[in-house]
Amino acid sequence: NAGVTQTPKFRILKIGQSMTLQCAQDMNHNYMYWYRQDPGMGLKLIYYSVGAGITDKGEVPNGYNVSRSTTEDFPLRLELAAPSQTSVYFCASSYDSNPSTDTQYFGPGTRLTVL
Amino acid sequence: QKEVEQNSGPLSVPEGAIASLNCTYSDRGSQSFFWYRQYSGKSPELIMFIYSNGDKEDGRFTAQLNKASQYVSLLIRDSQPSDSATYLCASVDKLIFGTGTRLQVFP
Repeated sequence: NAGVTQTPKFRILKIGQSMTLQCAQDMNHNYMYWYRQDPGMGLKLIYYSVGAGITDKGEVPNGYNVSRSTTEDFPLRLELAAPSQTSVYFCASSYDSNPSTDTQYFGPGTRLTVL
Repeated sequence: QKEVEQNSGPLSVPEGAIASLNCTYSDRGSQSFFWYRQYSGKSPELIMFIYSNGDKEDGRFTAQLNKASQYVSLLIRDSQPSDSATYLCASVDKLIFGTGTRLQVFP
């Protein structure tokens, strides 16, 4: 199993550009999550999904969109990039939401810089 | 007040000592917590999960939860230089993370 994969690893965007961060998992997990981590800070939840076709906002959803057309993929879309979106983005997945029986597995992250 | 709060550190301890990492939370509705370890430039990895008052031990790690006082702690016994990392506390119910405490274990 590859686990949780993210592409690209690094990206530089100009203000106003758009892009999609890709996330895929091959563990047949139902739950998927997108977090951002600013330098020296903890993770903040952007969006999450409890299954194909179902998504919901997290703590900091503004400026982002997601979709979940398949169990495996959970792309994150930035429509109009702003310098405030410079961050490291982590995707994670888990089989269910009960942490006593399962855990979140994190991808390696995408480092995004908006200039 | 932040919902989940940690001292950013760094916390420096000598090899072999006990490292004590603390986390406080403001929402009494938070019932359970994760502790993650994150090496510089890497993704977080789960160390412990705790949902009951009291202690939970796993190898060299002990998590403690006190719901009355609203704090969670992580003790690392026999600290090793390889434990040097940032430790993140997170509310499981709300998926809210603290900013993390940087631990440095020196030989």
